[in-house]
Amino acid sequence: DAGVIQSPRHEVTEMGQEVTLRCKPISGHDYLFWYRQTMMRGLELLIYFNNNVPIDDSGMPEDRFSAKMPNASFSTLKIQPSEPRDSAVYFCASSRLVDRWTQYFGPGTRLLVL
Amino acid sequence: QQPVQSPQAVILREGEDAVINCSSSKALYSVHWYRQKHGEAPVFLMILLKGGEQKGHEKISASFNEKKQQSSLYLTASQLSYSGTYFCGTGPSGAGSYQLTFGKGTKLSVIP
Repeated sequence: DAGVIQSPRHEVTEMGQEVTLRCKPISGHDYLFWYRQTMMRGLELLIYFNNNVPIDDSGMPEDRFSAKMPNASFSTLKIQPSEPRDSAVYFCASSRLVDRWTQYFGPGTRLLVL
Repeated sequence: QQPVQSPQAVILREGEDAVINCSSSKALYSVHWYRQKHGEAPVFLMILLKGGEQKGHEKISASFNEKKQQSSLYLTASQLSYSGTYFCGTGPSGAGSYQLTFGKGTKLSVIP
């Protein structure tokens, strides 16, 4: 089975540009999580969804960040406008209801904002 | 609140043992351990849900001391493949929430 798929794997953009990160969770999984990882702050949860519905977005840094999950097989994390301090690795993870604490992480998107 | 891990980094020779600690200033309800190899995604190792619970995964085991609000990860007879950064994550007390708060990680390097 395919794992969590993220695209793009690397993104370099200039400050002020819009950035869209994409995630395809494992088929049949009920939960989807977006994380950000930096050296300074470690791995932080940004938002998570249950059955496509956002449950907790308290980790979203500010209004420049938004996330959507239009269906069970696709989610996006958008940053508009992007800033250099948004540079990080963004991970998407998914889990099943019956085993919800076991999160399967995607390979991540390495974002660099110049 | 982010759990605190110690040590921040450790270097071992193959076959040596190591202990990684994870502590919290708040009551712990669950502790989750993940390993991340350089340039890769974190991979789930194990979860401890009850105080006093101990679990094992090959030669990697963990304990959870609810009273002391801490968990420890034990790596026995380390192998080169154990190298990576180990993260502990703590789960919320509220029912229905699956938000994990991760520590900053412990970088483990196993050398021949």
